[in-house]
Amino acid sequence: ILNVEQSPQSLHVQEGDSTNFTCSFPSSNFYALHWYRWETAKSPEALFVMTLNGDEKKKGRISATLNTKEGYSYLYIKGSQPEDSATYLCAFLYNQGGKLIFGQGTELSVKP
Amino acid sequence: GAGVSQSPSNKVTEKGKDVELRCDPISGHTALYWYRQSLGQGLEFLIYFQGNSAPDKSGLPSDRFSAERTGGSVSTLTIQRTQQEDSAVYLCASSLRVAGPYNEQFFGPGTRLTVL
Repeated sequence: ILNVEQSPQSLHVQEGDSTNFTCSFPSSNFYALHWYRWETAKSPEALFVMTLNGDEKKKGRISATLNTKEGYSYLYIKGSQPEDSATYLCAFLYNQGGKLIFGQGTELSVKP
Repeated sequence: GAGVSQSPSNKVTEKGKDVELRCDPISGHTALYWYRQSLGQGLEFLIYFQGNSAPDKSGLPSDRFSAERTGGSVSTLTIQRTQQEDSAVYLCASSLRVAGPYNEQFFGPGTRLTVL
């Protein structure tokens, strides 16, 4: 059974704090790892697609790293803002077919 | 351009009734996916259509669930004889490429199904 786990389940931080969350996935048969942001009342939105061990991606204050050998990815948010409040989902792609296996998500709440 | 659209946005039905959920993918996207999120659970894969190939139905939870994609575009997810455990948000997504690691998926707003 392919299992993707995310931690923590939820996180409450103050505006300006930097934060990070973890996504763990099977290290065998790795094809890609996707990160999505899901804001309340909106559709999930892709943040990053990562494929290579050691990959680092950055979009503004958000960045992600990937370790395929040990099966984990970190998502970092520098200087959190209230608009960063959302659920952050990672999803594991283990073959070319596009079937994503999602983690349960990390719910981030940023207080002004 | 237009994103993925889904209808209805909300559906309340009685146990035992059939429901149909519709998804309009982004024009030109060859792959279409259905997921659902039950209360307290993560996004669960249901079914995947890839071009003209046979769909990957491995995530459908029971034979009460079926889906079709007509003309390589619009898809309908049908749930027969709905049960209370079918209550969830049903999300549709589409992607441009048929396969490959960079097939970023674009999600619709979802249909919230409540089975009384």
